[in-house]
Amino acid sequence: EVQLVESGGGLVQPGRSLRLSCTASGFTFGDYEMSWFRQAPGKGLEWVGFIRSKAYGGTAEYAASVKGRFTISRDDSKSIAYLQMNSLKTEDTAVYYCTKMSCSGGNCYSNFWGQGTLVTVSS
Amino acid sequence: DIVMTQSPDSLAVSLGERATINCKSSQSVLHSSNNKNYLAWYQQKPGRPPKLLILWASTRESGVPDRFSGSGSGTDFSLTISSLQAEDVAVYYCQQHYSTPWTFGQGTKLEIK
Repeated sequence: EVQLVESGGGLVQPGRSLRLSCTASGFTFGDYEMSWFRQAPGKGLEWVGFIRSKAYGGTAEYAASVKGRFTISRDDSKSIAYLQMNSLKTEDTAVYYCTKMSCSGGNCYSNFWGQGTLVTVSS
Repeated sequence: DIVMTQSPDSLAVSLGERATINCKSSQSVLHSSNNKNYLAWYQQKPGRPPKLLILWASTRESGVPDRFSGSGSGTDFSLTISSLQAEDVAVYYCQQHYSTPWTFGQGTKLEIK
């Protein structure tokens, strides 16, 4: 059974940093691309970024709203994906979800979502 | 960026009746090389993460009841629930995965009339 468990959320002051973790089980983590999305309270869904599997270079892409501040990485030996968030702003307040992706021919979609972790940026 | 627009924003339908949600993309999400539309539909119940219902605009994900169906191509898409059940109350989102940044519609809240 596929499981994704996000952790590391909490209350943080503007300008500070936070690192989220997504611990995966039930599938061969290293074979899959992983993505992060977020949802501000009462709002819709927003893509944050994704990281390719090592077989496809292990590189990441980001939404413009977080590029240069957020970094996605992965530790395939531990089956964990990370979202390092620096220079946090109040508008980064959201539930953050990690997702397992299914990719074919260079195109990917999210077929499984974790339960999410809440990040609140406030002074 | 591809802008996704859903209609209506909210919808109230009687149990057993049909519900239809529309989604329009600002540019085509049809990939010419394989004739696939890179359009997904998600269901999100309160306090829960999104759940994939439909991929490639019209392919039901494994385990999704067959009362859910997707249709459309290019820029215009629809999600139809043929006979609304109480457990279908949720917010529904369309999402394009044609190009990054992957973008979502604003969501459609489906309720029981």
